Amino acid sequence: EPEVTQTPSHQVTQMGQEVILRCVPISNHLYFYWYRQILGQKVEFLVSFYNNEISEKSEIFDDQFSVERPDGSNFTLKIRSTKLEDSAMYFCASSEVGFSNQPQHFGDGTRLSIL
Amino acid sequence: AQKITQTQPGMFVQEKEAVTLDCTYDTSDQSYGLFWYKQPSSGEMIFLIYQGSYDEQNATEGRYSLNFQKARKSANLVISASQLGDSAIALYFCAMRDIADNQGGKLIFGQGTELSVKP
Repeated sequence: EPEVTQTPSHQVTQMGQEVILRCVPISNHLYFYWYRQILGQKVEFLVSFYNNEISEKSEIFDDQFSVERPDGSNFTLKIRSTKLEDSAMYFCASSEVGFSNQPQHFGDGTRLSIL
Repeated sequence: AQKITQTQPGMFVQEKEAVTLDCTYDTSDQSYGLFWYKQPSSGEMIFLIYQGSYDEQNATEGRYSLNFQKARKSANLVISASQLGDSAIALYFCAMRDIADNQGGKLIFGQGTELSVKP
């Protein structure tokens, strides 16, 4: 069964450094998402992406964050200057369509630790 | 604004018994979808079951069923015959999506319920 893959599984970065989290969504999916989950808390929406542009973003997704689909397969989340509070599990998800009963399929996540 | 509430931070169930995990939601939308995901201790998010707001019958998927009470705005997950493989330490999340939203349909998650299955 096709799946969403995320790399790396764990990233340790010094505060203030840039980090890029990578995702390969399921190949025939059109909608892509990033979520984050701070340890012990619920999963929070960051951004959705369709047709090569952001379709919606949350208040968490400030100017430090950006997303890109540099080629036909990868979908990346960049944090420009990381802060301690960016430490979290980051999930990429994709779905075939954006507004239907199709579930969003999640990757295994990237655990980001900011030192 | 949409909101999902899961009031049970932790639940215990004996192996082979059924368990119900509660989920209530708040939305002014008419068209929405409700999802349940499982997050084992390894961290991945696994889709379990979906219920649409216009579905007249409760969704079922193997050992999982959804007790959907639209008037009460609840969408409780029922796991029949719990297995040790259902948890170890697993979180179960209820989530909602505006399915008429043409902005991509983000998921709004509840706080999660940790389920422990006892042998």
